[in-house]
Amino acid sequence: DTAVSQTPKYLVTQMGNDKSIKCEQNLGHDTMYWYKQDSKKFLKIMFSYNNKELIINETVPNRFSPKSPDKAHLNLHINSLELGDSAVYFCASSQDVWALSGNTIYFGEGSWLTVV
Amino acid sequence: AQSVTQLGSHVSVSEGALVLLRCNYSSSVPPYLFWYVQYPNQGLQLLLKYTTGATLVKGINGFEAEFKKSETSFHLTKPSAHMSDAAEYFCAVRVQGAQKLVFGQGTRLTINP
Repeated sequence: DTAVSQTPKYLVTQMGNDKSIKCEQNLGHDTMYWYKQDSKKFLKIMFSYNNKELIINETVPNRFSPKSPDKAHLNLHINSLELGDSAVYFCASSQDVWALSGNTIYFGEGSWLTVV
Repeated sequence: AQSVTQLGSHVSVSEGALVLLRCNYSSSVPPYLFWYVQYPNQGLQLLLKYTTGATLVKGINGFEAEFKKSETSFHLTKPSAHMSDAAEYFCAVRVQGAQKLVFGQGTRLTINP
């Protein structure tokens, strides 16, 4: 069973469109994340949710809107797509964001978004 | 704020040779340190992590890393490289109470036959 699964894996779309990427984790974790990997492979956090509540928003344009219907799901909706949004988007989860121990963050397989 | 620097964006070794990927971190409090591997067109997989206790940490696929507080380093090593080790490797840091992982810029490992 895939622990963190996200769909679609590949997405090619035109500028100006609106698209969503879905993410689900079956690990029973409380915290979920979206990370963005740019063309130079640099990974940066975008959002984090803990028990459906937003706790991190890293200066991401408001065209990006995460939604967490329950703690097992964190979807990413992107409005008015721009060329610069082309990247790989990774969903991830961890047991507890506030934990003092070094809880592992588990990543999904990634969603390759290409805006043309 | 914590940060991570990986020395060398690209490392190339021969099959059977020692692999050494360097990672230095900056943190004002004791860190938790991680190495992730990303194979082409795939997601990130945890190789190993240091939280507390023994400073030499063993991971999957024969990799290990040593936490050296005095040098603020967490270098990744493998005694003998295999062709299947070719991938992108990311060092990451997280501090107690911090809400996120901060990644280094990654090191691409190439294995020459």
